[in-house]
Amino acid sequence: AQSVTQLGSHVSVSEGALVLLRCNYSSSVPPYLFWYVQYPNQGLQLLLKYTSAATLVKGINGFEAEFKKSETSFHLTKPSAHMSDAAEYFCAVKGGGADGLTFGKGTHLIIQP
Amino acid sequence: NAGVMQNPRHLVRRRGQEARLRCSPMKGHSHVYWYRQLPEEGLKFMVYLQKENIIDESGMPKERFSAEFPKEGPSILRIQQVVRGDSAAYFCASSPGLAEQETQYFGPGTRLLVL
Repeated sequence: AQSVTQLGSHVSVSEGALVLLRCNYSSSVPPYLFWYVQYPNQGLQLLLKYTSAATLVKGINGFEAEFKKSETSFHLTKPSAHMSDAAEYFCAVKGGGADGLTFGKGTHLIIQP
Repeated sequence: NAGVMQNPRHLVRRRGQEARLRCSPMKGHSHVYWYRQLPEEGLKFMVYLQKENIIDESGMPKERFSAEFPKEGPSILRIQQVVRGDSAAYFCASSPGLAEQETQYFGPGTRLLVL
């Protein structure tokens, strides 16, 4: 069975500061990993995904994530936060023949002016 | 290229009524997934369908819930005799192929409120 743990249901950073959202996964097989962003009352938009081609993955809006197998982590970062980054962020894993994505509970990112 | 479309966006039902949620996948996509999002929770997989076939319904409640994806028309998630615990956001996603690394593209969701 697969699982995803997102540490911190709420993360608050100042505008211009580093954003770090944590994601740890559990999977019995090499996983495919995804980060999605959800703005209020909207659907999920893909930020980036890891498919084993490269451990450092660059996504949209300046976000990137690094796959670390030894730590079973796939943390999301952005060097400088912008007010428009305020949203809910979900980490998800897929693999081992499962058809659906397994999501973490999400992290609400708050940007302080 | 239009994205995944869902309607209605908001649906209010009284206990015991039926709810029908519709999803039109992206053009060229033949794989549809339904997820449910409860308040303060992540999305939970419900069912995976291809045209005219239910492939995986391991996440569907055993009673009152059903899904279909007919040869023509949108995919339908049907909830019979709704209860207050069914209040949630229901998201549909679609993908172009079978490969595990395929991205699933999400619609805007239907927010169901059961009174």
